[in-house]
Amino acid sequence: KAGVTQTPRYLIKTRGQQVTLSCSPISGHRSVSWYQQTPGQGLQFLFEYFSETQRNKGNFPGRFSGRQFSNSRSEMNVSTLELGDSALYLCASSLMASGGDRSYEQYFGPGTRLTVT
Amino acid sequence: GENVEQHPSTLSVQEGDSAVIKCTYSDSASNYFPWYKQELGKGPQLIIDIRSNVGEKKDQRIAVTLNKTAKHFSLHITETQPEDSAVYFCAASPFKAAGNKLTFGGGTRVLVKP
Repeated sequence: KAGVTQTPRYLIKTRGQQVTLSCSPISGHRSVSWYQQTPGQGLQFLFEYFSETQRNKGNFPGRFSGRQFSNSRSEMNVSTLELGDSALYLCASSLMASGGDRSYEQYFGPGTRLTVT
Repeated sequence: GENVEQHPSTLSVQEGDSAVIKCTYSDSASNYFPWYKQELGKGPQLIIDIRSNVGEKKDQRIAVTLNKTAKHFSLHITETQPEDSAVYFCAASPFKAAGNKLTFGGGTRVLVKP
């Protein structure tokens, strides 16, 4: 079974621009979560989507947004990029079926490395 | 919100020795505690997890223990090998049907010396 895929793997943008990152979850997984990883702040939760609905949101400004499609694929968007948005953006998928011991295990993709100049 | 602290931040061990990483959490509602291993240039890989109704879980050379009363959990790696060198993260989540948000510890860089 293929793992979580993220595109693109690397991205360089200029301050003020916007960017869209894409995530394809493991086949059959219905929940997609996004995390930001930086050397200073570590791994921080951005948001989670399940059945095309945002269920949880972390403490990030409104410039960070996301969505999920009917096939569970997800995108996240960052508008008006700032230098501090440079980070590794990770997507994780989980089954989230009702019941089942493994329904909440989250599996991460390789990430998208975003550099803002 | 939840706060997870992880110690030590770096750990150097001789091949064959054991490694122990400890985490504490603050939210008593947390009931799911996974551990991830991250190698350079890769995303975190789930290596073991434990739920709050279990005190210990083992998988070959890896074991995790949980003390709900003290709000801490630990990762134990026995017979360490060079390929165990990586950054390890603990996490906590008040998993429920309405969502699954992981709060991570700061990470432990483990170096296994041959």
